[in-house]
Amino acid sequence: GAVVSQHPSRVICKSGTSVKIECRSLDFQATTMFWYRQFPKQSLMLMATSNEGSKATYEQGVEKDKFLINHASLTLSTLTVTSAHPEDSSFYICSALGGGTDTQYFGPGTRLTVL
Amino acid sequence: KQEVTQIPAALSVPEGENLVLNCSFTDSAIYNLQWFRQDPGKGLTSLLLIQSSQREQTSGRLNASLDKSSGRSTLYIAASQPGDSATYLCAVIMNTPLVFGKGTRLSVIA
Repeated sequence: GAVVSQHPSRVICKSGTSVKIECRSLDFQATTMFWYRQFPKQSLMLMATSNEGSKATYEQGVEKDKFLINHASLTLSTLTVTSAHPEDSSFYICSALGGGTDTQYFGPGTRLTVL
Repeated sequence: KQEVTQIPAALSVPEGENLVLNCSFTDSAIYNLQWFRQDPGKGLTSLLLIQSSQREQTSGRLNASLDKSSGRSTLYIAASQPGDSATYLCAVIMNTPLVFGKGTRLSVIA
């Protein structure tokens, strides 16, 4: 089956630094990838839709200058949290649309902790 | 705006019990509905995908039903095991991004 990986799985950083999270589709090409965020005991919330070769589409309330998304190839999308603050601490999950279907394949997630 | 609600928020059952998790959605114009499992600190594992034209899907001890007209889906788990302990998320697909419920946290006690 289709596999999506994320790196790193866990990151701890100091307030004010930037953190990059990678999302890769390992055995298929994904023209569209999604980034979600999940706070403790809350549902997953879509942050942005990333299309290969074009600018990401952000959901209302998500700061595009703070959460930089780059989808430079058909197998890689990156999310950079710039000038991270403790309130950005969360679980970030990506998913990818693959194989010409509507099925989304999810990555294992990245736990970000900002001190 | 689509809203997805899952009841109960948490459930604790003894091992071996059959149980039902509920999911309701406000807009019945969905393409598909998907049930996921999430273990603490982990990503999502897709359990069952029900297309809008289907009424149910089965995988092993899991059975998911869909009643689009009433905006409801249920996930039935037979003969529950401690390894089933996790959070179960329901998500509806109206367009490619999913709309998720908050999940039901299940604990199966040995």
